[in-house]
Amino acid sequence: EMKLLESGGGLVQPGGSLRLSCVGSGFTFSAYGISWVRQAPGQGLEWVSAIIGSGTVTEYTDSVKGRFIISRDNSKNVVFLEMTSLRAEDTAIYYCAKGRTTTARPAPFDSWGQGTLVTVSS
Amino acid sequence: EIVMTQSPATLSVSPGDVATLSCRASQSVISNLAWYQQKPGQAPRLLFFGASIRATGIPARFSASGSGTDFILTITSLQSEDFAIYYCQQYANWPPYTFGQGTKLEMK
Repeated sequence: EMKLLESGGGLVQPGGSLRLSCVGSGFTFSAYGISWVRQAPGQGLEWVSAIIGSGTVTEYTDSVKGRFIISRDNSKNVVFLEMTSLRAEDTAIYYCAKGRTTTARPAPFDSWGQGTLVTVSS
Repeated sequence: EIVMTQSPATLSVSPGDVATLSCRASQSVISNLAWYQQKPGQAPRLLFFGASIRATGIPARFSASGSGTDFILTITSLQSEDFAIYYCQQYANWPPYTFGQGTKLEMK
């Protein structure tokens, strides 16, 4: 069974930093792209960032470019999201999600973690 | 960026009836369209990809169709566990992947 488990969320002040982790199991981790998708309280889903299986290609939504960095360590089956210069509008549940295919092409997300809550507030 | 628009925002349907949810893309996504179901306090679950291909374990009462810019999710014989929020997502043109704002399917 494919599983993803996020950790690292919490309360942080505006301008602060946080690192989220996403550990995968039940599949060949290095073969699949992983995305971070966030959901602000009571709102819809917003894709944040993605990294392909090899880790050589990363993408970001415009609002986090220059502030967030996605990376992965395939030897430990983990993807990270390093978040800096956090703003109130970054407050959300952050989900990691696995791409459905092993190609580098865009793909829907067939497995999601349970999410980790990031709250940016003074 | 491709904008995804779902309608209606809220749909009230009685158990046992049929629900029809719509999703429109601001430009063609061909068939690169997925549907997700999200229940309160849970992560989204993939229902369909490729516009009409049912994901593993999704009951046959769920069906999806469409191509280009207009897509439909249909749920027949609605059961209590089907009341949730449904999102469409395009993966034709990224970054960014984009989601619709969601349709809340509520019990009438």
